[in-house]
Amino acid sequence: SAVISQKPSRDICQRGTSLTIQCQVDSQVTMMFWYRQQPGQSLTLIATANQGSEATYESGFVIDKFPISRPNLTFSTLTVSNMSPEDSSIYLCSVGSQGNQNIQYFGAGTRLSVL
Amino acid sequence: AQKVTQAQTEISVVEKEDVTLDCVYETRDTTYYLFWYKQPPSGELVFLIRRNSFDEQNEISGRYSWNFQKSTSSFNFTITASQVVDSAVYFCGGSGAGSYQLTFGKGTKLSVIP
Repeated sequence: SAVISQKPSRDICQRGTSLTIQCQVDSQVTMMFWYRQQPGQSLTLIATANQGSEATYESGFVIDKFPISRPNLTFSTLTVSNMSPEDSSIYLCSVGSQGNQNIQYFGAGTRLSVL
Repeated sequence: AQKVTQAQTEISVVEKEDVTLDCVYETRDTTYYLFWYKQPPSGELVFLIRRNSFDEQNEISGRYSWNFQKSTSSFNFTITASQVVDSAVYFCGGSGAGSYQLTFGKGTKLSVIP
């Protein structure tokens, strides 16, 4: 499985600001995913990020609020824009395993608190 | 659309007891995959197992075993002789064949008491 590093691991932000979360993988992967886990809840897919194309967003998530970059096969960023307390969550990136894309491996997540 | 139900929100067991975590998966797909992930207090999701819908053989890995019953759409996870390190939230999930989208259940928080 790939080694996935997320930065920052946690942050406390003020309402109205933006935070960019980085996801670095130790090998080249085609598919990267971003999830949100609200407090005490399950994971919800925000978007799928393929290198060289626009991210595909799930229902309820929009690019203006969660812009995503995927500049190469080992890196992606998710920005949480114009934050409100409702954005307080854990944000996790994952990658599809090479040769077996149905298995996803996850980073440690970014714990975001918005005041 | 898929739906994953983990009816047990929280379970507490005493160390060395066996515990079974339940999962029911609903889908119209004839071929699909089922997963279990572990989320310890540190937050990362750890992949435990993937099972194809056409493979109903039980699987055992050390103290972990999984029982897939296609007729009841259940994919239950048993930990034998539980240990404190097993304390975590366990998520069951599923995806359609060829789909990258994982649908997760709400998770079951397991507490193993010394």
